Amino acid sequence: DAKTTQPPSMDCAEGRAANLPCNHSTISGNEYVYWYRQIHSQGPQYIIHGLKNNETNEMASLIITEDRKSSTLILPHATLRDTAVYYCIANNAGNMLTFGGGTRLMVKP
Amino acid sequence: DAGITQSPRHKVTETGTPVTLRCHQTENHRYMYWYRQDPGHGLRLIHYSYGVKDTDKGEVSDGYSVSRSKTEDFLLTLESATSSQTSVYFCAIGTDAGSEKLFFGSGTQLSVL
Repeated sequence: DAKTTQPPSMDCAEGRAANLPCNHSTISGNEYVYWYRQIHSQGPQYIIHGLKNNETNEMASLIITEDRKSSTLILPHATLRDTAVYYCIANNAGNMLTFGGGTRLMVKP
Repeated sequence: DAGITQSPRHKVTETGTPVTLRCHQTENHRYMYWYRQDPGHGLRLIHYSYGVKDTDKGEVSDGYSVSRSKTEDFLLTLESATSSQTSVYFCAIGTDAGSEKLFFGSGTQLSVL
C-alpha cells in the first residue's frame, strides 16, 4: 500500500468548509484513496473513496489531483460534530486497510 | 447504522487469565476483522475472517486467536492476557476483502492488570 502523509491537526470554523489534505505520492495505478473518520472513542466511520475522478456524497467531497499524488477531503459546512480524526488511506481493493495517524480536525464555534 | 455489536464494552482482567471478546453482526457480511487501537500506533489489524471457519492473521496477531463458527459471530481470544494487550479493540465487517465500506463496532476497552 502507498504511504500517505497528513497534517497531524487542523482547525476549522463552524459553518466553514474544512479542507483536509493528504499526500500519497507513491500511489500506484490501481490503488484507491479512502477516507474514514473516528469521532472520539467511537469506531471509525467510512466517508468516501475514489480512484481518479472527484467524488461527492452526502457527507463530503473528494478531490484527487490529476497525477493522483495528493487528494483533499472537503466537508462543505463543518459542524461541531465533525470534530474527529480523519484517516486517508491508499489501498488496493482486496487488501486489508491500514490506518495511519490521521488528521485531528477541531471544529470551533 | 450497520448491525454490529461488540461485547463486553469494558473488561478488566488480570495478567495470565484467558479473555474472549465477541463480535456479533446481523448484516450477513462475509468479512469480519479485529483491530486494536493504541496511542501512537493507530489502528492495527489483528486477525480477519473471510468466511465461516476461514481466518487469517493480520499485522499484530501474536498472543491472539480467533474463531468463526457462524457467519454472525467472530470471537477474539487472548489465551493468557498480558499487560501489553491493554487496548481498545474494534471489530469491523465488510462485504469484500479490503472493502472500502468497513463498518466498525463501538469497541471494547480491555485493561489487563
